[in-house]
Amino acid sequence: ETGVTQTPRHLVMGMTNKKSLKCEQHLGHNAMYWYKQSAKKPLELMFVYSLEERVENNSVPSRFSPECPNSSHLFLHLHTLQPEDSALYLCASSQGVGGGGISYEQYFGPGTRLTVT
Amino acid sequence: AQSVTQPDIHITVSEGASLELRCNYSYGATPYLFWYVQSPGQGLQLLLKYFSGDTLVQGIKGFEAEFKRSQSSFNLRKPSVHWSDAAEYFCAVGIMEYGNKLVFGAGTILRVKS
Repeated sequence: ETGVTQTPRHLVMGMTNKKSLKCEQHLGHNAMYWYKQSAKKPLELMFVYSLEERVENNSVPSRFSPECPNSSHLFLHLHTLQPEDSALYLCASSQGVGGGGISYEQYFGPGTRLTVT
Repeated sequence: AQSVTQPDIHITVSEGASLELRCNYSYGATPYLFWYVQSPGQGLQLLLKYFSGDTLVQGIKGFEAEFKRSQSSFNLRKPSVHWSDAAEYFCAVGIMEYGNKLVFGAGTILRVKS
């Protein structure tokens, strides 16, 4: 596997289900991100992990719970979602962290298309 | 606040014609700028980036972009469009705060007619 992979690619879940999205990066990066892409809305940054620590949480509802067990893996645990949470969820990774350094480019996975019924 | 504006939601060009996609940003410091492309059902692929130096940057698939600080713009160009270029294009500015954050524009959908 190369680049950034995401599983599953498609997920349909009911509002009472619990599921998890998985992301894995094979690029040796030390920062990982979750984005939400809804129809007709700009990409929304949800979470940023740098060196396995969460450094940003953009007011995301608690029904979304991220987990970063190591620098190569990122999870998004989902529970009691709402229909408006249906979207494409994109994972990305990059080299480098903040604090005045260079803004390194991010590499994206193919996304998980989530439908909440 | 930092922001990116892509004024054109849709653009249609004929195959073989030239292309320019507009991007304007708002950011107080030196910007790090990116263009990404997304095909339907896929993730985002990096086309090119600007960090510093030469204001005309070359990317993959024959794309280039020019950084103009005076106009706060980073427009994407291609001299001759191919049907396979039909996709959605996103401009982004890199924000260095706690982490390495990108702020994206709303995207421009490119249609190519034969």
